[in-house]
This record gives sequence, structure tokens and C-alpha cells, in this order.
Amino acid sequence: AQKVTQAQTEISVVEKEDVTLDCVYETRDTTYYLFWYKQPPSGELVFLIRRNSFDEQNEISGRYSWNFQKSTSSFNFTITASQVVDSAVYFCALRKVGGYNKLIFGAGTRLAVHP
Amino acid sequence: DAGVIQSPRHEVTEMGQEVTLRCKPISGHDYLFWYRQTMMRGLELLIYFNNNVPIDDSGMPEDRFSAKMPNASFSTLKIQPSEPRDSAVYFCASSFLAGGGSSYNEQFFGPGTRLTVL
Repeated sequence: AQKVTQAQTEISVVEKEDVTLDCVYETRDTTYYLFWYKQPPSGELVFLIRRNSFDEQNEISGRYSWNFQKSTSSFNFTITASQVVDSAVYFCALRKVGGYNKLIFGAGTRLAVHP
Repeated sequence: DAGVIQSPRHEVTEMGQEVTLRCKPISGHDYLFWYRQTMMRGLELLIYFNNNVPIDDSGMPEDRFSAKMPNASFSTLKIQPSEPRDSAVYFCASSFLAGGGSSYNEQFFGPGTRLTVL
């Protein structure tokens, strides 16, 4: 069975702090995809990144970075120098490779960045 | 591109009434998904279509829920009769599968419809 666990329900930081959102997944598949989505207060879900299971290179995009560790089944997301606009709920998700299968979402982590 | 379009954005109705939610996927996308988001259950996939054909409806909670996709640019999710426990945000998402069948295309979500059943 596939499962995504985001153990941090809520995180509160002060602006300019770095923050890491944890994501741990379970799957029996040897190849799969991992995703992060952002849901700001306005409610829409915004795609942030996808990662193939066979590509363990970490990725950086501006203040965002992702650390994929296949050995620990984790795909953590770090925001450097957080800003108030980063306040949102962040979802990690998992999907099988091949054909099309549904996304399995974690419960989400609510991040509050205070000025 | 306008993105995935959903209507209405907000719907308030009384228990027992029929509710119809609408979705227009991104042009050229051949997969369409309906999700429900609640505080208790998070994001749940209800049903998805490929080329207008329902592929997996195992997430549809009960017979009161039905979904159709009469053409590539329109889908509906209907609840009849509605109940207070159906109150949630309903998202529509679309994506496409590139050649070879192994692409990892992301799903693009609409803004959601917030449904309140009194």
C-alpha cells in the first residue's frame, strides 16, 4: 500500500527563519514520483515540484530546496529566509510510475510565517 | 491558458437539494480528476476520467454522487440528494500523459468549489 506521512501538522516561524517540512512515504514500487503542492489561504492548489524516484539529486529553486533520500523514504522541503507570503498549507504526494495512477496526498503541514 | 475553471466558486444549499459542480479542464489535457477536501479526511480522489471515460470511481462515497464528462472540455459532479456531511471544498484537476505512457506530468488544480449544505 502507498502512504504519505507529514508528521508536522502546524509550524510557526518568524520571517527570515529557515523552515523544513518533512515528508515520509511508503510504497512497494521501485519507481515512483513525488510531488509537493502549496495551498495558500486563497484555497487553490499550486504545483511546486515533482521528483522521479531514480533521481536523487537535490533541487534548489530560489528560496526553495528539496532533499530526496530514498534510503529513508523521505522527501523534505526547505524554505530559506521564509516570508509572510510563504504562509500556506503544503502537501506532499506520491504516485506510481506507468500508465496513470492516482496521487496519494499527505495530510498537509500548515506553515505560518509571522512578521 | 486560463487554467482549470470551476463553477460555482461557492454554493450554499439545503439538505435534500441537488447540487451540480462544473469543471472545464485545461485545453489539450486528457485526464480529469475530482477531489474532495475536508478537515477530517484531507484530500480525497473521488473519480478520474481519461479521454472522457471514467477510469476509477472507487473514491465516490455513495450513490448520491455521480460524475460525467460529456466532452473533452466539460465535466460535472452531481450530488443528489445533498447532505450536511457533503460540505467540503471540491477540486477539479487536469493533466496529460505524454507519449510512452510513463510521463510524470503533474496535475493542475482549479480554484475549487466550497460547498455548504445546511
